[in-house]
Amino acid sequence: GQQVMQIPQYQHVQEGEDFTTYCNSSTTLSNIQWYKQRPGGHPVFLIQLVKSGEVKKQKRLTFQFGEAKKNSSLHITATQTTDVGTYFCAGRDNYGQNFVFGPGTRLSVLP
Amino acid sequence: KAGVTQTPRYLIKTRGQQVTLSCSPISGHRSVSWYQQTPGQGLQFLFEYFSETQRNKGNFPGRFSGRQFSNSRSEMNVSTLELGDSALYLCASSLEFIQDRGEEKLFFGSGTQLSVL
Repeated sequence: GQQVMQIPQYQHVQEGEDFTTYCNSSTTLSNIQWYKQRPGGHPVFLIQLVKSGEVKKQKRLTFQFGEAKKNSSLHITATQTTDVGTYFCAGRDNYGQNFVFGPGTRLSVLP
Repeated sequence: KAGVTQTPRYLIKTRGQQVTLSCSPISGHRSVSWYQQTPGQGLQFLFEYFSETQRNKGNFPGRFSGRQFSNSRSEMNVSTLELGDSALYLCASSLEFIQDRGEEKLFFGSGTQLSVL
């Protein structure tokens, strides 16, 4: 079945440093989404990418969808303590059957 | 607009019992999906409903079932509870079944924390 992997599993950064998490799917995706879950909270939608090679920016966050629509990345520039949480990628396969979440990358930001 | 509402917020059950969890989606949302979240397994897809029909189902045993009502509210039921069913159960709603448009945005509820003793 479809599998979605994320690396790294954990990342500890000093405030102000950059952070990147990578998402890889075993199958081609119709779209990729990113969610953020703060400790004790629920996942909150950040963005959706649909087109091959698409790049979207939200302030300090940059999202990219690979050309083959099988991988994606989230880059945060100059992290802040408010960026703490777990970042999940999620995607639906091209058949529209399964919606799979990656295992997440837990980000800690040290002040 | 009110968000996705899940009840109850916390639940404690013993092995062998059954449990029913409830989810009220955002008004106007017709698609509801359920997820199981555990520290070790992350977010696991349970099932997805649209207009009272189950569209997709994850790899969970038949003890896990769900349904959706005409007002889009959804319930999930777990029978013969096992210790391993202890988890946070999250419900998410979206505007419409996404496959046809390739667009979707899930709005999650706060979840039901189920503990099986």
